[in-house]
Amino acid sequence: GQSLEQPSEVTAVEGAIVQINCTYQTSGFYGLSWYQQHDGGAPTFLSYNALDGLEETGRFSSFLSRSDSYGYLLLQELQMKDSASYFCAVRDWSRNAGNMLTFGGGTRLMVKP
Amino acid sequence: DTAVSQTPKYLVTQMGNDKSIKCEQNLGHDTMYWYKQDSKKFLKIMFSYNNKELIINETVPNRFSPKSPDKAHLNLHINSLELGDSAVYFCASSQRTSGHTQYFGPGTRLTVL
Repeated sequence: GQSLEQPSEVTAVEGAIVQINCTYQTSGFYGLSWYQQHDGGAPTFLSYNALDGLEETGRFSSFLSRSDSYGYLLLQELQMKDSASYFCAVRDWSRNAGNMLTFGGGTRLMVKP
Repeated sequence: DTAVSQTPKYLVTQMGNDKSIKCEQNLGHDTMYWYKQDSKKFLKIMFSYNNKELIINETVPNRFSPKSPDKAHLNLHINSLELGDSAVYFCASSQRTSGHTQYFGPGTRLTVL
């Protein structure tokens, strides 16, 4: 089967850097996505890694190590509006030919002034 | 110019009733999904359709019946509602070849009394 592990909660201060880790177990790994969800809102796509290395999009970066079955989301220059839940999700070729995402339990990030 | 829309946004109903949720996307995507998010924010896929064809059915009770009249619409009908069906239901869409980047609707909060 598949499993994803990410911390349930992380707290950081405004202006700081925070890293949200995700480890996964899956039989046909294809890629790792990250989504952000504010309270009462919908998940929105942030980033995707299919290959090892770092992908940077503004203040957010995502990293993947396929050999370690590990990835992380890095948020820099934290702002209050970054307080939200962050989900990692794997795309797996063994599940419906990669057409579905399996989501982790989410990490609730609280940014304090 | 809403990308993925759902109606209704809130649904409060009694146990045993039948209800429907509608979803429409104007992104030109060929694949649509239904997710259930429980009170612990765990996001789980229920169904996926590609060009009106069911491609994912994740062990959902057969009280739940999706219908896709065309590739821009995916509706969810739920029969004999139970207390455990209370959750937020999200519709999402993507191109099949880019299943890692899904666009979510605003969600429908279903409360079964």
